[in-house]
Amino acid sequence: AQSVTQLDSQVPVFEEAPVELRCNYSSSVSVYLFWYVQYPNQGLQLLLKYLSGSTLVKGINGFEAEFNKSQTSFHLRKPSVHISDTAEYFCAVSDRSGAQKLVFGQGTRLTINP
Amino acid sequence: EAGVTQSPTHLIKTRGQQATLRCSPISGHTSVYWYQQALGLGLQFLLWYDEGEERNRGNFPPRFSGRQFPNYSSELNVNALELEDSALYLCASSLAGLANQHFGDGTRLSIL
Repeated sequence: AQSVTQLDSQVPVFEEAPVELRCNYSSSVSVYLFWYVQYPNQGLQLLLKYLSGSTLVKGINGFEAEFNKSQTSFHLRKPSVHISDTAEYFCAVSDRSGAQKLVFGQGTRLTINP
Repeated sequence: EAGVTQSPTHLIKTRGQQATLRCSPISGHTSVYWYQQALGLGLQFLLWYDEGEERNRGNFPPRFSGRQFPNYSSELNVNALELEDSALYLCASSLAGLANQHFGDGTRLSIL
């Protein structure tokens, strides 16, 4: 079974500052990794995913994440945030068995202050 | 292209009643996934349907069930509603697995 820990429940940052949202996972098998964003009263939107290949993954809206197998981490970063990035961010993992079951972290609320 | 649509947007029920939630996938998508987002419990996988068959389910009691129709739309049924079933229920659809899921905006189920 897999599990995901998002190390920060809330992250406040100032506009145009860099941000890192931390995610650690636990799994005995190889995994796929995802970051999703949820704006108020909306569903989830995929930011980026790691399936295989390069460990540095670039996504939408200027976000990127790095897969670190030895540290079982998949931290999300953005060099300069905007007010519009205020949202809840979820890290998720699934195994590669074809079971199609996503396991989510508890979420990190990112608040951008002007 | 229309996205994933869910209905109703809000649903209010009382304990012991039954609720039916509906999901229309993106045209051409054959897989539908259901998730529960409850306060304090976070996002949890509920069910996966593909080509009309239930392929996997999460750790939920049997009173959570559903089906997928020949047009790939899906409904989620929750019987004998309990207060803790109050949550946002999200549906997602995909043509090619988890990497390409698209989510709807959810149905908010409130149990009084």
